[in-house]
Amino acid sequence: EIVLTQSPGTLSLSPGERATLSCRASQSVSSSYLAWYQQKPGQAPRLLIYGASSRATGIPDRFSGSGSGTDFTLTISRLEPEDFAVYYCQLYGTSWTFGQGTKVEIK
Amino acid sequence: EVQLVQSGAEVKKPGESLKISCKGSGYSFTSYWIGWVRQMPGKGLEWMGIIWPGDSDARYSPSFQGQVTMSVDKSITTAYLQWSSLKDSDTAMYYCARRRTSGYDFDFWGQGALVTVSS
Repeated sequence: EIVLTQSPGTLSLSPGERATLSCRASQSVSSSYLAWYQQKPGQAPRLLIYGASSRATGIPDRFSGSGSGTDFTLTISRLEPEDFAVYYCQLYGTSWTFGQGTKVEIK
Repeated sequence: EVQLVQSGAEVKKPGESLKISCKGSGYSFTSYWIGWVRQMPGKGLEWMGIIWPGDSDARYSPSFQGQVTMSVDKSITTAYLQWSSLKDSDTAMYYCARRRTSGYDFDFWGQGALVTVSS
């Protein structure tokens, strides 16, 4: 079973700053199978990025995804107040698995 | 507009049975996989399983195999997740989500159903 490890656990930043979130897989995977989600308190997750780098419908272009093999990154170029949330990466291998999440909090 | 609307919060006792629902609308229900995801209080997301409404083909995460049962009633475009005997540890928020066509991710999510199991 492939394990996803996200880092850091918490990222403390100010609005306008750049956020870089990491997701590492325990073995090499196809980038087609890697997605990122945002979850705000009391809300369902929202798909941000699929196929490692494609933005989902309606997602602002300040969100971008990159990576291949075992290392993937979600970048938020300039944090808006509504971007403070928890972010999860997800992978399809023989089944689906999620990383443990990165919380982006206001510094 | 694509929507997944889940049933309401439930409070149950250990040992009781439960079936929660997820009604899809605004799209061809039988053409998209529906997945289920658990989120225990204050914790992350866990994938439970996925079902194809067209023929009820269900795939379970090994962690949830034998613990829950997924089903669908395509006549009313509704997917279900059920337990035959709840445990305290089943207390969680449960989400249904639609798998994006030709993708490996989930593009629409239900609002979640909170299940509380307590004696």
